[in-house]
Order: sequence, then C-alpha cells, then structure tokens
Amino acid sequence: DIVMTQSPDSLAVSLGERATINCKSSQSVLYSPNNENYLAWYQQKPGQPPKPLIYWASIRKSGVPDRFSGSGSGTDFTLTISSLQAEDVAVYYCQQYHETPFTFGPGTKVDIK
Amino acid sequence: EVQLVQSGAEVKEPGATVKISCKVSGYTFTDSYLHWVKQAPEKGLEWMGLVDPEDGKPEYAEKFQGRASISADTSTDTAYMELTSLTSDDTAIYYCAVIGATAGWGQGTLVTVSS
Repeated sequence: DIVMTQSPDSLAVSLGERATINCKSSQSVLYSPNNENYLAWYQQKPGQPPKPLIYWASIRKSGVPDRFSGSGSGTDFTLTISSLQAEDVAVYYCQQYHETPFTFGPGTKVDIK
Repeated sequence: EVQLVQSGAEVKEPGATVKISCKVSGYTFTDSYLHWVKQAPEKGLEWMGLVDPEDGKPEYAEKFQGRASISADTSTDTAYMELTSLTSDDTAIYYCAVIGATAGWGQGTLVTVSS
C-alpha cells in the first residue's frame, strides 16, 4: 500500500499570512503515460464532509478560492494557502488515487494564531 | 453540479448488517468510479473501496474484503455499501465520494453500533 504522511500535524497562522502543508507518498503517484500526479487535497470543517480542493496535484476545483494552490510531483506535494482567512480553519487531507487502496494522509489541522 | 445524497443515520446491534445508499446527480454515473470512505469518531479518513458503475465491478481495501459489499444500480444512478457482522469499531460516518475532476462527496451517513 502507498503510505501517505503529512507535516506538520497542526499549525497556527496569523490572518493574512501563508500556510503551508506538506504531503509525502511512500511511492511515486506520477503516472508517466499522461504525466499526471494522482494526488488530491481536501478541506474538512467540523461536522461537514470533506470538500475537494485540488486534483491532479495542482488543479483547483471550480469554485475554490485562488488563495489555495497545490504543487509537487512524484512523492512530495504541498498545499499552500497564500493568505489565511478565518473560514480556512479546518483539517486538510491529501489522498493518492494512483493505485488501490486510495490512501489518505493523517490530516493537518490549521488554526488561527 | 455534482451531488451525492446518502441515506439516513442507522443504529444497529452488534452482528447486524447495514446497507447505505448514495444517489448521484449532475454527472454521468457510469463515467466515474464511486468510492466509499469511513471516518470513525475524531479520526481521519479511511478508504474502503470503490465500484465502477459501468460494469459493476467492485474493489475493496484489504481490511474490508469479505465484510463489505459495494454495488451500483445504473437504472437509478445509485450506489450501495453493505457492511456485515457489525461491531462497535464500525461506529463511524460513512461517505460516498467521486474523486478527481468530477469530485464530490455525499453528506455522510452515521452508523452507530450499540447493544
């Protein structure tokens, strides 16, 4: 199975400042034939289902604010919130969908400092 | 807009079986795999398995193999997840989801296993 790790476990950032979350996979999730990284990011607020933010590692889902961006390739990925807003307080998960089982990272909790 | 609407909360006794439905709309059901994800109380997300609605073929995480059954009904654009031999460890919210460009998640179904 591909093991997904995330760092840090939690972080507190001042409003308007940058938040950076790292995600690492134990094997590459890059599919060479189409050069796509099979990596997604989700945001989950308390009492709500996860909300898809990013797919193919860097493509923002329609309607997601452009302060959210994804980057990386192979085994190392980053979700960046360029200017943290109060409504961004949540747990963020990465998930690989390169091969089954489609494993998730353990989550990173983002709070306001 | 992609929408996934799940059936309501369930309370089951240990040893029982639960079956959850997930009705989709806003996209072509047979174009994307339909996934099921477990979230135990105060825990992270755990992928359980998927079904390809086009041919009905399921695939399961090893942990749920033999106890979970995932299916799809293309006549109603509805997927199902059945879990047998329930224990207290199965108390969780279960989500159906589509992953990738057509991504969307159901609202979740709380299953409580208690005697």
